[in-house]
Amino acid sequence: DAKTTQPPSMDCAEGRAANLPCNHSTISGNEYVYWYRQIHSQGPQYIIHGLKNNETNEMASLIITEDRKSSTLILPHATLRDTAVYYCIVRVIASGGSYIPTFGRGTSLIVHP
Amino acid sequence: NAGVMQNPRHLVRRRGQEARLRCSPMKGHSHVYWYRQLPEEGLKFMVYLQKENIIDESGMPKERFSAEFPKEGPSILRIQQVVRGDSAAYFCASSPLPTSGTDTQYFGPGTRLTVL
Repeated sequence: DAKTTQPPSMDCAEGRAANLPCNHSTISGNEYVYWYRQIHSQGPQYIIHGLKNNETNEMASLIITEDRKSSTLILPHATLRDTAVYYCIVRVIASGGSYIPTFGRGTSLIVHP
Repeated sequence: NAGVMQNPRHLVRRRGQEARLRCSPMKGHSHVYWYRQLPEEGLKFMVYLQKENIIDESGMPKERFSAEFPKEGPSILRIQQVVRGDSAAYFCASSPLPTSGTDTQYFGPGTRLTVL
């Protein structure tokens, strides 16, 4: 099962791009990379996911390296409301064939004025 | 389309009482997951259910905890004889039928359980 490694904390100036890295060197070929975030006291929020191609949606972009051993979540213009804990997850196939994500400690992103 | 709903949002129980947490998945979603988050910690998977079926309960404590997702109505996480260590935020997530090895989970706002 692939595990992920993220820096415990980062900070970013408002209006600048926030680049959050994630290492998943043991990821297998059919495992997706997912990103969620959790704003203080709220439920986690889905951001984006990808397999091997770069992905973009209205919230963020996801850049996955060619060897798939790492990825970067990019918030192009961070705002104060983007202050949250960001979780990088790869799908873990548990017993019975279910897909149970493992949430680590994530990266605490602080966006400052 | 309403999101995942959880109630109550806050629940206070005394030691030894029972706690019942409810989760209504998003419309069209047939899979429910329960997670627990202790203060200052990450989310820990507890149980994964489909309608009338427990798929994976590898994260559930062996005693006092149970979960169900009946054919009609919300999913219920039940904690019997609560202890102070059960104080935590409990999150429910739902997803549609997994396809192609991926299923995005959508989370509810959580239930914050406080055991006095």
